[in-house]
Amino acid sequence: GQSLEQPSEVTAVEGAIVQINCTYQTSGFYGLSWYQQHDGGAPTFLSYNALDGLEETGRFSSFLSRSDSYGYLLLQELQMKDSASYFCAVVFSGGYNKLIFGAGTRLAVHP
Amino acid sequence: KAGVTQTPRYLIKTRGQQVTLSCSPISGHRSVSWYQQTPGQGLQFLFEYFSETQRNKGNFPGRFSGRQFSNSRSEMNVSTLELGDSALYLCASSPGGGGLSYEQYFGPGTRLTVT
Repeated sequence: GQSLEQPSEVTAVEGAIVQINCTYQTSGFYGLSWYQQHDGGAPTFLSYNALDGLEETGRFSSFLSRSDSYGYLLLQELQMKDSASYFCAVVFSGGYNKLIFGAGTRLAVHP
Repeated sequence: KAGVTQTPRYLIKTRGQQVTLSCSPISGHRSVSWYQQTPGQGLQFLFEYFSETQRNKGNFPGRFSGRQFSNSRSEMNVSTLELGDSALYLCASSPGGGGLSYEQYFGPGTRLTVT
């Protein structure tokens, strides 16, 4: 089957660093994306890893290890506005290509 | 560029009825995908349309259908509504040339309540 697992909740303080992990099980894996969704808002694309290694975009970085079926999103210098849900997502192939999202990690940033 | 727009934003329907939701993608985007978001099941992929053809689909029953027009606008239809269809329905667009994209641009969603 196809599945993604990520922690349901993470709590951190302003200015800290937090890592949100995502593990997946699939065949026909193409790459890993990350999305952010604020309460009442639409998901917005953050990053994508097709190859192993780290991708950096400002305060956010994303990592992928295909051999370990594992990735993470790293958020640095946390700000209150980073409080949101974060989803990892992959495209699985096999007949129909499907974009599968993890259940989401709710990040709460406190002063 | 204007973002993805969805209409209506809120909808209340009765069990057994049918509903049609509309999505206008970002100008130039030819791929439109639909997702259902619920607290219990999270974000689930319904289907993707590209050039007026369904290119990819998820694991939803045939009551969920869609179509895409020549201007890339898309509609999603749910027939014989069930209480469990209450959800936020999100539309997303992408340029679409290379298959189902990892980078989707989401609209604000239509909140459907079935009573």
